[in-house]
Amino acid sequence: DIVMTQSPDSLAVSLGERATINCKSSQSVLYSSNNKNYLTWYQQKPGQPPRLLVYWASTRGSGVPDRFSGSGSGTDFTLTISSLQPEDVAVYYCQQYYSTPRTFGQGTKVEIK
Amino acid sequence: QVQLQESGPGLVKPSGTLSLTCAVSNDSISISSWWSWVRQPPGKGLEWIGEIYQSGSTDYNPSLKSRVTISLDKSKNQFSLDLSSVTAADTAVYYCARGAVAALAAWGQGTLVTVSS
Repeated sequence: DIVMTQSPDSLAVSLGERATINCKSSQSVLYSSNNKNYLTWYQQKPGQPPRLLVYWASTRGSGVPDRFSGSGSGTDFTLTISSLQPEDVAVYYCQQYYSTPRTFGQGTKVEIK
Repeated sequence: QVQLQESGPGLVKPSGTLSLTCAVSNDSISISSWWSWVRQPPGKGLEWIGEIYQSGSTDYNPSLKSRVTISLDKSKNQFSLDLSSVTAADTAVYYCARGAVAALAAWGQGTLVTVSS
């Protein structure tokens, strides 16, 4: 199984400031055949299902604000919220879609400082 | 816009079988790529259970594989999850989701299943 490790477990950021979440996979999730990283980011607010934010490591999902951006390749990835808004308070998960089982990171809780 | 809705018993006895159904609207399970189940124990993270492709082939989490069955009912446009020999450790919110590209692009609201006598 590919192990996904997120850091930090939680972070508090002031409104309007940048939030950065890291995700590391135990093996590369880059498909050489199409040069795409099979790394996905989700946002989960309390009492709600997860919502797709980013797929292929850097492609935003439908309707996702452009303050959310994903980057990285191979085994190291980052989700950045460029200017934190009150509605961004949530837990963020990375997931690899490179192989089964489709493992998730443990989650990173983002709060307002 | 696709919609997914989980249904099934909210309480299952230990050693019994947990059975859930996911009704899909505004999309056809016969055409779209794959359909998945994910669970989340109270206060904890997400665990991928497995997925089924429109062809009917399946992939399961090895940690649950001996107990899990995911199936399609194309006539009702829904898919199902059966998890046998449940214990308290299987208590969780269970989500169904639709796969697209390389992600779970749409999710149901989730249903809490408690395993208790």
